[in-house]
Amino acid sequence: NAGVTQTPKFRVLKTGQSMTLLCAQDMNHEYMYWYRQDPGMGLRLIHYSVGEGTTAKGEVPDGYNVSRLKKQNFLLGLESAAPSQTSVYFCASSYQGLAKTYEQYFGPGTRLTVT
Amino acid sequence: DQQVKQNSPSLSVQEGRISILNCDYTNSMFDYFLWYKKYPAEGPTFLISISSIKDKNEDGRFTVFLNKSAKHLSLHIVPSQPGDSAVYFCAARAFRGKNSGYALNFGKGTSLLVTP
Repeated sequence: NAGVTQTPKFRVLKTGQSMTLLCAQDMNHEYMYWYRQDPGMGLRLIHYSVGEGTTAKGEVPDGYNVSRLKKQNFLLGLESAAPSQTSVYFCASSYQGLAKTYEQYFGPGTRLTVT
Repeated sequence: DQQVKQNSPSLSVQEGRISILNCDYTNSMFDYFLWYKKYPAEGPTFLISISSIKDKNEDGRFTVFLNKSAKHLSLHIVPSQPGDSAVYFCAARAFRGKNSGYALNFGKGTSLLVTP
């Protein structure tokens, strides 16, 4: 099992450009999440999905859009990138059935720089 | 507003000693608490968790204590090892509504350094 994978690993964008980050999981998890991590800010939830075809806003959703067309994939889109979106982006997934720990499994991250 | 707070940005401990990482929360509706460990350039990995109906959970060298009345939890690592040097995040789970399900609130993290 690959677990949670993220594509790409690194990206540099110019202000105003758009891009899509792809997250894929092979654990048949219902829930998927997108976070951003900034120095001194911890992990902040951008958007998440509780199942195929559903999305919900997290704490910092502005400037981002998401889609979950397939259960195993969760896409994060930046329509018009801004320097404030320079960050490390993490995708995660979890099972929300009768799990004992409700842990989230994280991908390796995507480092995005917007100039 | 920050509902999960880790007030110590960093902690340094000698190898073999106990490391105690603290976490405070404000939302009494949190029903599950988790600790994650993160190495540089990697994604966070799950370490240990505790349900809000428990006050202690132990897994090898790691023990998490929950004090609901004080809205406080702590992670104890005994004995600490150099490989434990990482950033530790406290997280808490809450139900966000019928169509929004569950999500985690994370603290800002504590950077632990275990010195030989």
